[in-house]
Amino acid sequence: NAGVTQTPKFQVLKTGQSMTLQCAQDMNHNSMYWYRQDPGMGLRLIYYSASEGTTDKGEVPNGYNVSRLNKREFSLRLESAAPSQTSVYFCASSEGRGRTYEQYFGPGTRLTVT
Amino acid sequence: GNSVTQMEGPVTLSEEAFLTINCTYTATGYPSLFWYVQYPGEGLQLLLKATKADDKGSNKGFEATYRKETTSFHLEKGSVQVSDSAVYFCALSGSNDMRFGAGTRLTVKP
Repeated sequence: NAGVTQTPKFQVLKTGQSMTLQCAQDMNHNSMYWYRQDPGMGLRLIYYSASEGTTDKGEVPNGYNVSRLNKREFSLRLESAAPSQTSVYFCASSEGRGRTYEQYFGPGTRLTVT
Repeated sequence: GNSVTQMEGPVTLSEEAFLTINCTYTATGYPSLFWYVQYPGEGLQLLLKATKADDKGSNKGFEATYRKETTSFHLEKGSVQVSDSAVYFCALSGSNDMRFGAGTRLTVKP
């Protein structure tokens, strides 16, 4: 099993450009998440999908959109990139949502916006 | 809301030293607690977890005990190795979300 995969690994964008980060999991998990990681701030939740067909905002959703394409895939879109979106983005999945479910993380996408 | 506070790093130790990384939390209800580890250039991996008070999670020589009375989940290891060098995150999972601490960078020198 590959677990959680993300593409691309690295990306450089100019301010105002758009891009989509792709995420897929092969563990048959119901829930999927997008986080951003910034120095000294841990991980902050951008959006999540509790189950196929549903998406909800997390702690820092502004400037992002998501699509739960099917049970396996969950994409994150930046419509008009800003330097404040320079970060490392992690996708994660879990069997369900609730206090006992651990999350499994992908390797991350390092995004720089100039 | 729920939150996690962990000790600031970086932490630098010699091989075979004792490790403690402090983690305290604020939460409503009965959260689960986790420690994740991130090696350079990789995503987070679950290190250990505890789902109720007084539970002890353990893995690869690391341990942490869920202490409700002190709202803490400190990570310990008796003898660290160079290969333990990584960033460690404490996390709390309530009914609706998971919250992470800021992370503590550990460097172990031979």
